[in-house]
Amino acid sequence: AAGVIQSPRHLIKEKRETATLKCYPIPRHDTVYWYQQGPGQDPQFLISFYEKMQSDKGSIPDRFSAQQFSDYHSELNMSSLELGDSALYFCASSLEIQGRDTEAFFGQGTRLTVV
Amino acid sequence: AQSVTQPDIHITVSEGASLELRCNYSYGATPYLFWYVQSPGQGLQLLLKYFSGDTLVQGIKGFEAEFKRSQSSFNLRKPSVHWSDAAEYFCAVGARNAGNMLTFGGGTRLMVKP
Repeated sequence: AAGVIQSPRHLIKEKRETATLKCYPIPRHDTVYWYQQGPGQDPQFLISFYEKMQSDKGSIPDRFSAQQFSDYHSELNMSSLELGDSALYFCASSLEIQGRDTEAFFGQGTRLTVV
Repeated sequence: AQSVTQPDIHITVSEGASLELRCNYSYGATPYLFWYVQSPGQGLQLLLKYFSGDTLVQGIKGFEAEFKRSQSSFNLRKPSVHWSDAAEYFCAVGARNAGNMLTFGGGTRLMVKP
């Protein structure tokens, strides 16, 4: 079965550069979630989108922005990168069904290293 | 706001021994509850989930968890641990009115002795 695809898997950037992380949800899934996991930390929710609209916002820095496109893939744009942005970034997707409990499926993550 | 506590940062068990990983949550209503496993440098794999119904939930790889509302707990258990179970385990809670926006616990690193 198709899973959540994230690209790239690894990314190295210098301070003050920009980065774009991409997430391709499971086919027919309409909701995407982004999480950030720092070294030795638990994943922290950043932001989510449902049907191309932002649905929830967590601890996402103002330097970051994200969007969901018409084909439901999502991109996380990160500007003015700082050393502390080095982390594993997860994307998850789900299909929202009225009145039903659904789960989110996680991708393998993108490891961003800022040097 | 919801929160999750995993009291044990590290646990070491012998191969073949039983395992219980603790998870306590704070949430105003009945939450969605999850256990994920993460191998080093890898993604999050869902072991099991609780949405409603039977409070004893069976998952993959021989894991089970029990939702105890009175104790606000969702402990993960396995009767006999295998060396391949060594990994980081995360408990997570989701709010019923916020889809799958999850709050994770700090994780428990499991080490398995031969």
